[in-house]
Amino acid sequence: NAGVTQTPKFRVLKTGQSMTLLCAQDMNHEYMYWYRQDPGMGLRLIHYSVGEGTTAKGEVPDGYNVSRLKKQNFLLGLESAAPSQTSVYFCASSKGPALIYGYTFGSGTRLTVV
Amino acid sequence: DAKTTQPNSMESNEEEPVHLPCNHSTISGTDYIHWYRQLPSQGPEYVIHGLTSNVNNRMASLAIAEDRKSSTLILHRATLRDAAVYYCILRGFSNAGKSTFGDGTTLTVKP
Repeated sequence: NAGVTQTPKFRVLKTGQSMTLLCAQDMNHEYMYWYRQDPGMGLRLIHYSVGEGTTAKGEVPDGYNVSRLKKQNFLLGLESAAPSQTSVYFCASSKGPALIYGYTFGSGTRLTVV
Repeated sequence: DAKTTQPNSMESNEEEPVHLPCNHSTISGTDYIHWYRQLPSQGPEYVIHGLTSNVNNRMASLAIAEDRKSSTLILHRATLRDAAVYYCILRGFSNAGKSTFGDGTTLTVKP
């Protein structure tokens, strides 16, 4: 089982460039999430989705946009990258509300903005 | 929002039990207690979760205090592969849009 797959695994961007991170899950999960993790810190929620066609803001949404056009995919976009967005990005999914079902995480995308 | 408090680091010897504590004194009645762990350079991995009763699975046991203000993750026999950062988080209907992943406890397992 692939679980949660994130692409790309690594990326270097110049300030002001844009990019899209792709998250795909093959578990038919309803909920999907994007987190960022800065060095030595825990995870912070950027955006999440409770179903196809829905998105909602998490704790640190500024500078990011998301889309959930298909149930299995959750895209995270950076319109104009800034050095402060250098981080490791994790996508996660859950069968239903995470409080009951728990998360399945991807292996992460390491993004550097120079 | 209810928060959790964990020690920054703990050490254990291989093949000995490990008890990882978590305090959550402001937990609400509908908050579930979840534990995840993160191995170096990997995404977090689900370990266990519970609401009121103690829980067991193949990875670990979760002991929840009667007043639910604290919990303990128990690894019955630590192995070198258990060295990771362990996160105790609360998940409830009131914080669906928030992370609540704190800094966790870094567990070192000595051979």
